[in-house]
Amino acid sequence: QSVLTQPPSASGTPGQRVTISCSGSSSNIGSNYVYWYQHLPGTAPKLLIYRNNQRPSGVPDRFSGSKSGTSASLAISGLRSEDEADYYCAAWDDSLSGPVFGGGTKLTVL
Amino acid sequence: QVQLVQSGSELGKPGASVKVSCKASGYTFTSYVMNWVRQAPGQGLEWMAWIDTNTGNPTYAQGFTGRFVFSLDTSVSTAYLQISSLKAEDTAVYYCARGRNPDYWGQGTLVTVSS
Repeated sequence: QSVLTQPPSASGTPGQRVTISCSGSSSNIGSNYVYWYQHLPGTAPKLLIYRNNQRPSGVPDRFSGSKSGTSASLAISGLRSEDEADYYCAAWDDSLSGPVFGGGTKLTVL
Repeated sequence: QVQLVQSGSELGKPGASVKVSCKASGYTFTSYVMNWVRQAPGQGLEWMAWIDTNTGNPTYAQGFTGRFVFSLDTSVSTAYLQISSLKAEDTAVYYCARGRNPDYWGQGTLVTVSS
């Protein structure tokens, strides 16, 4: 059971906007930054969002992140077929002294 | 550019040991901690430990002490994960990932435990 809670699946059609939620607690999301990763099977996870809402260079502005209290969300607008992947949220956990992850959300582009 | 290159797939028998390497390049190795993260089949990402690349001191997640040894060779900018007394449930992809909040990741190493 993952420390952070994500929905197991999400879907949308090309061009749509989808959001993926991530719920935690005061020891992780409530007191630390949230990070989001895109993961395609057999490849290295890719950092999409850091420090709640910042995009690394090269990540399209279709991807955005937000955080409120002990929850966070990732929004993907203008959905494209290549966005089909697994998405994970993560945050440092002060109680565990390490990063914790969500269980992952499999995004399907219909 | 930053790269973390991991060693290839491993097949180990129950009770045996395997060692996975993660070679870093493109940055000063000792400027960032190194994490190890496990992904069991059909499961999500699970943090195992991070190792202080200056002191070599690891911080473990629950369940990853004892059979799991995390080490470094700073002379070749490489981190290692050794798993001993292999069990079937150790079958997974193991990733190294740079930084307290991981930014760059290795490509993963599949460890398969089977007789």
